[in-house]
Amino acid sequence: NAGVTQTPKFQVLKTGQSMTLQCAQDMNHNSMYWYRQDPGMGLRLIYYSASEGTTDKGEVPNGYNVSRLNKREFSLRLESAAPSQTSVYFCASSEWGILNEQYFGPGTRLTVT
Amino acid sequence: DQQVKQNSPSLSVQEGRISILNCDYTNSMFDYFLWYKKYPAEGPTFLISISSIKDKNEDGRFTVFLNKSAKHLSLHIVPSQPGDSAVYFCAASHSGGSNYKLTFGKGTLLTVNP
Repeated sequence: NAGVTQTPKFQVLKTGQSMTLQCAQDMNHNSMYWYRQDPGMGLRLIYYSASEGTTDKGEVPNGYNVSRLNKREFSLRLESAAPSQTSVYFCASSEWGILNEQYFGPGTRLTVT
Repeated sequence: DQQVKQNSPSLSVQEGRISILNCDYTNSMFDYFLWYKKYPAEGPTFLISISSIKDKNEDGRFTVFLNKSAKHLSLHIVPSQPGDSAVYFCAASHSGGSNYKLTFGKGTLLTVNP
């Protein structure tokens, strides 16, 4: 059981470039989430997917898009990266919603120059 | 407006002693609270939770206390061990709102000295 995996682990982008962060879980969870963590800040929800086929905005969705490709995979896309998107990105999953324990991936450290 | 506040950025305790991490919230609609632990270069891991119908929840060395009137919760770790050294995040949710949104505090770095 790998749990929640994220790729890549590190990425450096130039302003205006695009990229997709990949996330997959092997726990047959219904709900998946994308968070960002900035220095001195808690985690902030970007987007979530309550179940396969649905996605919804979280607290800080601007500049991001998501795709729930299937039950296992939930990707986060930056169409035109900005320095303000420099952050550590965490993907998480849970059986159903936050009343079930969320399992987090190891994170992707993204720097936008 | 920060709805979940962890006012101590850091805490240092001796091995074997009690660690007390504090968290305050401002949104009276919050009724479910969680603590997560995070080691460097890893994702957070769930530690313990409490519903607002309780005022205490215990799991081994970890106990969370909830004081609804004061909008305050605390995490007690007894006895503290060096392996407990990590950042601890408090998080809260309104179960009558979205079942998918947690509001996190900024975290407290706990250092347990041998």
